[in-house]
Amino acid sequence: DSGVTQTPKHLITATGQRVTLRCSPRSGDLSVYWYQQSLDQGLQFLIQYYNGEERAKGNILERFSAQQFPDLHSELNLSSLELGDSALYFCASSGNRGVSEAFFGQGTRLTVV
Amino acid sequence: ELKVEQNPLFLSMQEGKNYTIYCNYSTTSDRLYWYRQDPGKSLESLFVLLSNGAVKQEGRLMASLDTKARLSTLHITAAVHDLSATYFCAGDLNYQLIWGAGTKLIIKP
Repeated sequence: DSGVTQTPKHLITATGQRVTLRCSPRSGDLSVYWYQQSLDQGLQFLIQYYNGEERAKGNILERFSAQQFPDLHSELNLSSLELGDSALYFCASSGNRGVSEAFFGQGTRLTVV
Repeated sequence: ELKVEQNPLFLSMQEGKNYTIYCNYSTTSDRLYWYRQDPGKSLESLFVLLSNGAVKQEGRLMASLDTKARLSTLHITAAVHDLSATYFCAGDLNYQLIWGAGTKLIIKP
């Protein structure tokens, strides 16, 4: 158990809908990362937050948004969903002790039908 | 810009054999990480390599880092089926992880 909690584990929704994925980082970790992993694809970095502030942005679509709350949990909002958004979405967290080793949650498997 | 390249991307090998996965990176990286991912599962941290010449071992896996050559290797000794997985390396630039494409390793009995 990495200590990073993601909910829900599975999500099936229709095209055009909006969903919210939730992530609770490890206790004490200030950074949260969101990644998308499609079938047989590598990890696509979406966005990183550090202590509530956006720190880095990757290949995140305009239909997607995220935020990190004062209690450090994070949410990834996906809207106007398309079939191609079906993927595993991972959240990872890391601390602030000079080593950015990231610990991953179990992921949310999103299926858009 | 930091780019991380792994090779091979796919490796099928027999149990009992040794092999090495290579991770090249394009510019200075403070740290190098290795992760393992089983199909449909999360990523598990294997090794964190912090300095030139660092070598870490866990069971049949050994990782090393040569910062002058900008190369990290993950060596598998006497492979067993349980090591079948996808292995990712990642470099670190300003606390941002930059990932390789992953090496899918299949070990046949």
